[in-house]
Amino acid sequence: KQEVTQIPAALSVPEGENLVLNCSFTDSAIYNLQWFRQDPGKGLTSLLLIQSSQREQTSGRLNASLDKSSGRSTLYIAASQPGDSATYLCAVSAGSYQLTFGKGTKLSVIP
Amino acid sequence: SQTIHQWPATLVQPVGSPLSLECTVEGTSNPNLYWYRQAAGRGLQLLFYSVGIGQISSEVPQNLSASRPQDRQFILSSKKLLLSDSGFYLCAWSAHGAAYNEQFFGPGTRLTVL
Repeated sequence: KQEVTQIPAALSVPEGENLVLNCSFTDSAIYNLQWFRQDPGKGLTSLLLIQSSQREQTSGRLNASLDKSSGRSTLYIAASQPGDSATYLCAVSAGSYQLTFGKGTKLSVIP
Repeated sequence: SQTIHQWPATLVQPVGSPLSLECTVEGTSNPNLYWYRQAAGRGLQLLFYSVGIGQISSEVPQNLSASRPQDRQFILSSKKLLLSDSGFYLCAWSAHGAAYNEQFFGPGTRLTVL
């Protein structure tokens, strides 16, 4: 059974810092990995999707990497801003319709 | 562009009452549709998915049911709510075809069962 872990559960950084969020998964037989952002009381916003054949994807200040063989992904946020404060979730697809989610990392960027 | 709607946004219901949550998608045809639940302190759990009208697959045995009466409409129902049904319910869609297509989520419905 696939398990997804995100460490740390919460992170607080000063504005302007570069930061890395971690995601690990137990079964490397995945098709893709998605990173989402969730603001309090809101739905999920898809940030990046990395196919299993890719090593990384970039969107603006966000860069996600994938090391499928070791079961790890990282989300790098450059020059963090208070507006980046949210919970970040990663989810993997093993080819079925189900996404397996981690419990998220709650990020607070302090002005 | 595609848009996904959910209503109501919030709902407070007594134990034993019925439930109907609705999700609609605009801007795409024949999408795959999903219902997830996010309970406090737990990750998102897939409840149901549908690859077409009238086609429903259940991932977790529970007190809930789902229906897809139209191509872009997905409904989550219960005949009698339990306290454990409280949570944040999210509808999602993906393009028809591969099971691993990117999923896009709606704004969610906060359900509190008292």
